[in-house]
Amino acid sequence: ELKVEQNPLFLSMQEGKNYTIYCNYSTTSDRLYWYRQDPGKSLESLFVLLSNGAVKQEGRLMASLDTKARLSTLHITAAVHDLSATYFCAVGVSNTGKLIFGQGTTLQVKP
Amino acid sequence: DARVTQTPRHKVTEMGQEVTMRCQPILGHNTVFWYRQTMMQGLELLAYFRNRAPLDDSGMPKDRFSAEMPDATLATLKIQPSEPRDSAVYFCASGLREPTYEQYFGPGTRLTVT
Repeated sequence: ELKVEQNPLFLSMQEGKNYTIYCNYSTTSDRLYWYRQDPGKSLESLFVLLSNGAVKQEGRLMASLDTKARLSTLHITAAVHDLSATYFCAVGVSNTGKLIFGQGTTLQVKP
Repeated sequence: DARVTQTPRHKVTEMGQEVTMRCQPILGHNTVFWYRQTMMQGLELLAYFRNRAPLDDSGMPKDRFSAEMPDATLATLKIQPSEPRDSAVYFCASGLREPTYEQYFGPGTRLTVT
């Protein structure tokens, strides 16, 4: 059974600092997704990573995938308050369209 | 701007009542998913459809939940009878299988069962 674990689950950081959120998963997959959720809102797709070594960047966020280590990272560069949200990674179940979500990492960026 | 729509956005009901939630997937998407989000359990997949056919509903309590796609523009999730433990936010998502399997989420239905 595919399990997905994120850490940390809660992250409080100062504006301008860098940090990384980790997403580990338990069985082979070649699809990994990062979503953002603001309080009381829906999930917004951030990144789709489909191959080993894939790296994608959007603004201050950069996501990468290492399928051999079963690890994805979401790196935040020079955080700003607008990045405060909950970030989910989700891993695709092979041969299906299903996604298994991590617990989410709540990011709080303080001025 | 194509979006997944869900109705109702909020629903408060009494225990024992039937609840029906509706979802309109993005036009042209051939997969539809129902998720439930709670603080305790996080995001759980309840059921999913491809080309309107149910593929997996193993995450759904069978005795009280049912999911259907009467046509390509409508997916429904029904709870009968509802219980307080069903209180959660229910999300519908749709997507295309190829090439990325990416899922696009609707705004959710916040259900409160008293």
